[in-house]
Amino acid sequence: DAGVTQSPTHLIKTRGQQVTLRCSPKSGHDTVSWYQQALGQGPQFIFQYYEEEERQRGNFPDRFSGHQFPNYSSELNVNALLLGDSALYLCASNLGSTDTQYFGPGTRLTVL
Amino acid sequence: TQLLEQSPQFLSIQEGENLTVYCNSSSVFSSLQWYRQEPGEGPVLLVTVVTGGEVKKLKRLTFQFGDARKDSSLHITAAQPGDTGLYLCAGRLLTGANNLFFGTGTRLTVIP
Repeated sequence: DAGVTQSPTHLIKTRGQQVTLRCSPKSGHDTVSWYQQALGQGPQFIFQYYEEEERQRGNFPDRFSGHQFPNYSSELNVNALLLGDSALYLCASNLGSTDTQYFGPGTRLTVL
Repeated sequence: TQLLEQSPQFLSIQEGENLTVYCNSSSVFSSLQWYRQEPGEGPVLLVTVVTGGEVKKLKRLTFQFGDARKDSSLHITAAQPGDTGLYLCAGRLLTGANNLFFGTGTRLTVIP
């Protein structure tokens, strides 16, 4: 049973560029959430996708956008990258409104 | 301002010692979860508590949810080097929002 997978593992970009991160949820899950974890801090909620729509959003600017595909996989897009966007980006999946979210290994984004 | 505050932020103890990590908030949560995160990996769920006053045990780990569902604690008995990691509490607000709010994290190091 495949868990949550994310790609790429690591990514280096320069300021002003755009980036797309990808996530495949755990088998049987239909809800995907994205989190940003800065070094030494707890994850911060970015947004959640369910039935291909953004269901909920945290306190992140519009530069952060996402998408969910019919197969429940998801993408996180960040435009006009800033140095402060450097972080570990985590994807989590769950089924419907159930409590337990399973996390992927994350994508480490470095913005130079 | 972080919704969930954890203390201590850092903890370094000798193998065999006991420790307690605290997770506090002024908000009420419908459920609270504890995760452990290793470097370069996503958080792994340890336990979910949903009832005020609930106590759950997982081998040498004891988790408690406060009566008012605003706080939680994690107690580790006879810590082992394998317990080393970042411990995160995370909760869902009683308002019904589906996203998790994470605590600030406690970095535990158990010295052999």
